Amino acid sequence: AQTVTQSQPEMSVQEAETVTLSCTYDTSESDYYLFWYKQPPSRQMILVIRQEAYKQQNATENRFSVNFQKAAKSFSLKISDSQLGDAAMYFCAYSGSNTGNQFYFGTGTSLTVIP
Amino acid sequence: NAGVTQTPKFRVLKTGQSMTLLCAQDMNHEYMYWYRQDPGMGLRLIHYSVGEGTTAKGEVPDGYNVSRLKKQNFLLGLESAAPSQTSVYFCASSYWAEAFFGQGTRLTVV
Repeated sequence: AQTVTQSQPEMSVQEAETVTLSCTYDTSESDYYLFWYKQPPSRQMILVIRQEAYKQQNATENRFSVNFQKAAKSFSLKISDSQLGDAAMYFCAYSGSNTGNQFYFGTGTSLTVIP
Repeated sequence: NAGVTQTPKFRVLKTGQSMTLLCAQDMNHEYMYWYRQDPGMGLRLIHYSVGEGTTAKGEVPDGYNVSRLKKQNFLLGLESAAPSQTSVYFCASSYWAEAFFGQGTRLTVV
C-alpha cells in the first residue's frame, strides 16, 4: 500500500512570514496525484493545492506553492505571507490510478500562526 | 451546492448499540469513501466504493459494514459499537483528481 509521511506534528510561524510543511510518500506508480488539504477547527476538509505527477512544474495557488521532487518522493507545501486564517491542521494526501482511486493521508501537521 | 452531506453530525452511543451513518453526494461521483480520524493518526480508510452496488475494505474495516444501493448514497453501519470506535467519521466522494468531504460525524461510544 502507498504510504504518506508527515514528520512535523506541529509547526508555528509568525504572521506575514513563510513556512514550509514537509511530506514524503512511497509509491511504485507512475501516474498519481498529490494533494494538500487544510482542516480548520470547523473540521471541514478543504483542498489547498494539487499536483499531477507527470507535470514537472510546481503547482501554485496564490500564497500556497509546492516543491515537488518526484525522484525523492517529496512534496512540501510553502505558505507565504502567513495569515491568522491559515492556522489549521494540514494533511498531505496521495491518489494513484492503480489503487482504486483511494486517497491515502499523512498524519497531519498542526500549524499555529503567531500574531 | 450541497456537495457531500453526512448525517448525523454528533452522536453518543452506548457500548453494544448499533447505528448507521448516512452519506449523500450530488456530484454524480463514482467513488465514495468512509474514513475515521483519530488524533495523531490522520485519516484512515474504513471502506470504499467504486460504483453503485460495489464495496471494498480499506485499512481499518473491522467492526463496520457499508452499503451502496444507490450511486448517490453510501451508508456506514456499526452493528455493535465499542469504545474503540469513538472517533470522527468522514465521508468523501471523488473523481480522479479531487476528493470532496462531508463535515464529519463525531461519534462517542460510552
